[in-house]
Amino acid sequence: SQTIHQWPATLVQPVGSPLSLECTVEGTSNPNLYWYRQAAGRGLQLLFYSVGIGQISSEVPQNLSASRPQDRQFILSSKKLLLSDSGFYLCAWQGRLAGGHEQFFGPGTRLTVL
Amino acid sequence: GQNIDQPTEMTATEGAIVQINCTYQTSGFNGLFWYQQHAGEAPTFLSYNVLDGLEEKGRFSSFLSRSKGYSYLLLKELQMKDSASYLCAVMDSNYQLIWGAGTKLIIKP
Repeated sequence: SQTIHQWPATLVQPVGSPLSLECTVEGTSNPNLYWYRQAAGRGLQLLFYSVGIGQISSEVPQNLSASRPQDRQFILSSKKLLLSDSGFYLCAWQGRLAGGHEQFFGPGTRLTVL
Repeated sequence: GQNIDQPTEMTATEGAIVQINCTYQTSGFNGLFWYQQHAGEAPTFLSYNVLDGLEEKGRFSSFLSRSKGYSYLLLKELQMKDSASYLCAVMDSNYQLIWGAGTKLIIKP
């Protein structure tokens, strides 16, 4: 069966510090991968998605970047965090089976920027 | 623009039935999803509708009317553990999910 891992679970970082969040998927090949951010009491905002190694699409201009160095690894980074980067970061995968469009989420990383 | 509307909060009684509505306006349509999200946790997939009608899955059912841009999630025999936020999402013509802000459901004994 497929599983998705994210770490760390929680993170407190000062403004201006760098960020690296990692997501890995097991049990599937060539998945679509997604990074979302969820502010408190709000819906999910798509940040990046990837359909393959080295292929990244950005949905929202920001000081974040993403990379996919391996098929089942997706990394979210920032060189300098802003206060507005605080939120709940979710990684998701989507399979490519016919009719299987649902996305499955990792446990999330709660980021607080102080 | 693309828009998903659902009520911010609903309250229901344990053992009762509740219906959570979702209306949408999107560029294209490739299906509508419902997810459940408990506080502090990631969303979990509940249902997927791509054709008009009702899909039943145990105590949960989801209905879709594409001509009206409307869906609802019906929860029967409510249990305290059903207290959560319920997120409606539509897959647009680019196969991207457009998310509603979620409906927080409060179950009272």
